[in-house]
Amino acid sequence: YVLTQAPSVSVAPGKTAAINCAGDNIGSKRVHWYQQRPGQAPVLVIFDNYDRPSGIPERFSGSKSANTATLTIIRVEAGDEADYYCQVSDIGSDYCLFGGGTKLTVL
Amino acid sequence: QEKLVESGGGVVQPGKSLRLSCAASGFTFNNYDLHWVRQAPGRGLEWVAFVRNDGYWVQFTDSVKGRFTVSRDIYKNMVYLQLDSLRLEDTAVYYCARHREGGSLDYWGRGTLVTVSS
Repeated sequence: YVLTQAPSVSVAPGKTAAINCAGDNIGSKRVHWYQQRPGQAPVLVIFDNYDRPSGIPERFSGSKSANTATLTIIRVEAGDEADYYCQVSDIGSDYCLFGGGTKLTVL
Repeated sequence: QEKLVESGGGVVQPGKSLRLSCAASGFTFNNYDLHWVRQAPGRGLEWVAFVRNDGYWVQFTDSVKGRFTVSRDIYKNMVYLQLDSLRLEDTAVYYCARHREGGSLDYWGRGTLVTVSS
């Protein structure tokens, strides 16, 4: 099973960024998203497709269709510049599968 | 406050061994499964290993099967990743992360760097 992400996305401050994660029948799986700023550990920003952990701004949201999951960031700020990874899981799974990551550049 | 702290990384020659540790605090350790995830320099995240909360079920990615082992000490709130027969391609930052019900990894340590070099 392969998760495909675009290597990079660029967006101007204040605009909306959409980061996609493509996978066969991803709609049937749970999708999670991580933000990784340079030199730091990953941080969970969306879990179980749509939910935000406490402390994550409402500007971050998740959605998905049959074969694509999307992380959307509205009103993008300079501090959102980071690598973003999708990850899928099945119920009771004992492994993780990550996408290749997308570098978000804030122009 | 939930916390994971990795240690044990360093520079090692190909074919040698290293043991990484992950110290957990701020949560009920025995209630959670844990993962090891690594990141090679300039590369993406790669899942490495899983250990169930009781320590009796483990899983590994194919590239490390037979070379890495994982264990946990429920009395010390520690998880260990034993790296044997190390290869150049095992060079990476190794992260310990907590498994949340549903499959996400909700808390991560800062990682420990393993460099395999001759």
